[in-house]
Amino acid sequence: ETGVTQTPRHLVMGMTNKKSLKCEQHLGHNAMYWYKQSAKKPLELMFVYSLEERVENNSVPSRFSPECPNSSHLFLHLHTLQPEDSALYLCASSQDRVSYNSPLHFGNGTRLTVT
Amino acid sequence: GQNIDQPTEMTATEGAIVQINCTYQTSGFNGLFWYQQHAGEAPTFLSYNVLDGLEEKGRFSSFLSRSKGYSYLLLKELQMKDSASYLCALNYQLIWGAGTKLIIKP
Repeated sequence: ETGVTQTPRHLVMGMTNKKSLKCEQHLGHNAMYWYKQSAKKPLELMFVYSLEERVENNSVPSRFSPECPNSSHLFLHLHTLQPEDSALYLCASSQDRVSYNSPLHFGNGTRLTVT
Repeated sequence: GQNIDQPTEMTATEGAIVQINCTYQTSGFNGLFWYQQHAGEAPTFLSYNVLDGLEEKGRFSSFLSRSKGYSYLLLKELQMKDSASYLCALNYQLIWGAGTKLIIKP
């Protein structure tokens, strides 16, 4: 298996549920990212992990909690979400965080619906 | 602050040329990326500009003017498969435009 793989592809959850999104990359990259994509809005960077250092967007609510056990795996733990959190969640990886021209390789995303 | 503006939607004809613009405001510049995203799929990398000028890659070219805060993506010999959204991103891909949806008509 190659590239960036995300599971599940689709997720429907209630506001009181707890779920996790999983991402795995097989590219030997050193940086992994979570982005949120809402319709007709810019991609929003949520979290970055690079060589075990985490950078986060301070506007991301605490109901989203990332975990990066190693350079190939990334999780996004979800709890007590709100309907406005419904969106496409994209995982990406890149060779490293600090190279100017290090492009992102994206997974196909998890389409999340909060009811 | 930092922000990026792109047209929401554009329409072009198969075989023609189209230019998709991206204007930005930023206090510090560290490179500009273009990505293509087909409906229901992941974005894929198209090009990167850090110096002024034109970068050409086959049918696609990207131009940058840092003094004007302006970039464009030029698509030549349009094909139906070029129907997609085109996303502009700045500075380690921290800041993104909302994307331009390109519709190709026969």
